[in-house]
Amino acid sequence: GAVVSQHPSWVICKSGTSVKIECRSLDFQATTMFWYRQFPKQSLMLMATSNEGSKATYEQGVEKDKFLINHASLTLSTLTVTSAHPEDSSFYICSARDPRAGDEQYFGPGTRLTVT
Amino acid sequence: GENVEQHPSTLSVQEGDSAVIKCTYSDSASNYFPWYKQELGKRPQLIIDIRSNVGEKKDQRIAVTLNKTAKHFSLHITETQPEDSAVYFCAAERGTSYGKLTFGQGTILTVHP
Repeated sequence: GAVVSQHPSWVICKSGTSVKIECRSLDFQATTMFWYRQFPKQSLMLMATSNEGSKATYEQGVEKDKFLINHASLTLSTLTVTSAHPEDSSFYICSARDPRAGDEQYFGPGTRLTVT
Repeated sequence: GENVEQHPSTLSVQEGDSAVIKCTYSDSASNYFPWYKQELGKRPQLIIDIRSNVGEKKDQRIAVTLNKTAKHFSLHITETQPEDSAVYFCAAERGTSYGKLTFGQGTILTVHP
């Protein structure tokens, strides 16, 4: 199946700093990618939809100025958590759909963010 | 928006028994329903999916049934094995939003040897 990678796999940062997470589709082009957040022992919650060449769309309750999304190419989307706080500590997972492969979504391995 | 409810939250079975997890959804326009298995700290792995034009789908020990009228779908695992122990999530793709998944709350499945 298609492969989606994320970098870094884990990151620790100080409160008030910004962190950038990359999501790449390695063997297919993705005009749309999705960013999810998963708190410990909870489900995945869609945060935003990343659209290549246009603005991301955010789910209700997600601050667009805090979670900046850039989808500059057909294989790369980035999520920047700005002015991170301890409550932003979570598992961030991206996904993308391979247009050649029907409905299945391919998830990245996730990024564990810890804000101290 | 879409709401997906999943039950039970925990399920404990003996090896060889069957396990059933149920989900309901609210968006009648939803057409795609995947099931994922997630191990601790790992990405969700698709184990089976179904589209709304099909009532049942089976892949070896795993099957999914869909009742679109009642807006519920279920995961059935037969002959469970200890390696089936994980968290299972159902999801529904929003009917009017390409690729956007709403996940259920998850079920922690434990298979005792």
